[in-house]
Amino acid sequence: AQSVTQLGSHVSVSEGALVLLRCNYSSSVPPYLFWYVQYPNQGLQLLLKYTSAATLVKGINGFEAEFKKSETSFHLTKPSAHMSDAAEYFCAVSAVFPLIQGAQKLVFGQGTRLTINP
Amino acid sequence: DGGITQSPKYLFRKEGQNVTLSCEQNLNHDAMYWYRQDPGQGLRLIYYSQIVNDFQKGDIAEGYSVSREKKESFPLTVTSAQKNPTAFYLCASSKDRGHNSPLHFGNGTRLTVT
Repeated sequence: AQSVTQLGSHVSVSEGALVLLRCNYSSSVPPYLFWYVQYPNQGLQLLLKYTSAATLVKGINGFEAEFKKSETSFHLTKPSAHMSDAAEYFCAVSAVFPLIQGAQKLVFGQGTRLTINP
Repeated sequence: DGGITQSPKYLFRKEGQNVTLSCEQNLNHDAMYWYRQDPGQGLRLIYYSQIVNDFQKGDIAEGYSVSREKKESFPLTVTSAQKNPTAFYLCASSKDRGHNSPLHFGNGTRLTVT
């Protein structure tokens, strides 16, 4: 079964500093991995996804993530934080529903709330 | 612009009442999903539907029911059997069933039951 662990429920960085949000996954098959962002009282928006092409994936708003199979990790980074990056971030792994060919299920981590200090 | 519309944004109900949350999409997506979000617990899958007139239970389906009579619509009913219904509910859709097809989310409905 697939699972996702996000290390740190809250991360706080200064404006202009590096953002690093950690995600480790468990999967019995090659995974598809996603990062989503959620602003207060809104739904989730896709930041980026890994689908076994390049291990370094670039997303929107200057974010990128690197897939490391040996470490089973998919950490999200941004070189310089902006106040508008304050939000909750979710890592997710795609699993295939048992018995249903081709059906998708996203398993989400518990989320990391990112705070940006001026 | 295409998207997913959830209504209402806020919903208040008395304990023991059933309540239906609306979800409509104009993205022409085949698959639709309902998630429940609680603080510190991420998102948990309630029900999903791959095609019209077909739906399957997710991880926490007890106390919920759905229908998929039209491709565009996937309403969720929270029944009185749901023991802890107060939560933020998110509807999502994806283009197909492939497991690299990203989810598109609505803006959610916050349900409060007292």
